[in-house]
Amino acid sequence: QVQLQESGPGLVKPSQTLSLTCTVSGGSISSGGYYWNWVRQHPGKGLEWIGYIYHSGGTYYNPSLESRLNISVDTSKNQFSLKLSSVTAADTAVYYCARGTSVARMDVWGQGTTVTVSS
Amino acid sequence: DIQMTQSPSSLSASVRDRVTITCRASQSIRSYLNWYQQKPGKAPKLLIYAISNLQSGVPSRFSGSGSGTDFTLTISSLQPEDFATYYCQQSYSAPYTFGQGTNLEIK
Repeated sequence: QVQLQESGPGLVKPSQTLSLTCTVSGGSISSGGYYWNWVRQHPGKGLEWIGYIYHSGGTYYNPSLESRLNISVDTSKNQFSLKLSSVTAADTAVYYCARGTSVARMDVWGQGTTVTVSS
Repeated sequence: DIQMTQSPSSLSASVRDRVTITCRASQSIRSYLNWYQQKPGKAPKLLIYAISNLQSGVPSRFSGSGSGTDFTLTISSLQPEDFATYYCQQSYSAPYTFGQGTNLEIK
C-alpha cells in the first residue's frame, strides 16, 4: 500500500525559501502512471492545488505560484520536493503531497505538514 | 481559472438523515469532478471520482451525480463518522480548483 510522508522545516523566515520533501513508500515513483501533487490549506480555509510532477520530470504549476515555485523529483530516493521562494505570511499553511491518478484525481495523501512563515 | 462553488457552506443534520451537497463549476468540466472528505487535522480523502465512481473502500451510502457544470454528492443515511467537511474538485483544467467546502455538522 502506497504511503506518502511530508518532511521539512516547520518555520521559515519571510523572504526565504520553503523546502519540503515527500517520501513515497510501498510503491515506486519510477513505475509511472501517476502524477505527484502538492496541495496546501491555509489556516481554517479550503484547499489550493500547487502543482504536480511526473516521474519523467515534467511539471505543471499553479500560475498563481509559478514564478516562485519549483517541484522536482528524485527517483533514486523515491521522493519529490517542493521549493517556494520569497515566502510571506500568506504562504503559512498545511502542505500536503498527494498521488494523482488521471493527473489530479488524488487518491493517496500524506498526513500534511504545517509550515509557518514568521520572523 | 475554473471556479467551483459549493452549497450550502454548512449543514446541520442528524444520524440517518439523507443529505445532498451541490457543486457548480463556472464552465463545463465534462466528467472531471471529484469529491473529498476531510476531518479535522486530517488529510482529505477521495470519496468519488469522475462524478459518480466510488473510490475503493468508500461506503455505498455515498453517491455522486450530475453533468457539465452541476453536480451533487448525496449521503443516503448519515452515520456518525460522516460528520466532516466535503470538497468538490475539478480535474478538467489546471489549476485544479476546489470548492470552498461544506461543513457537515451534527444537529
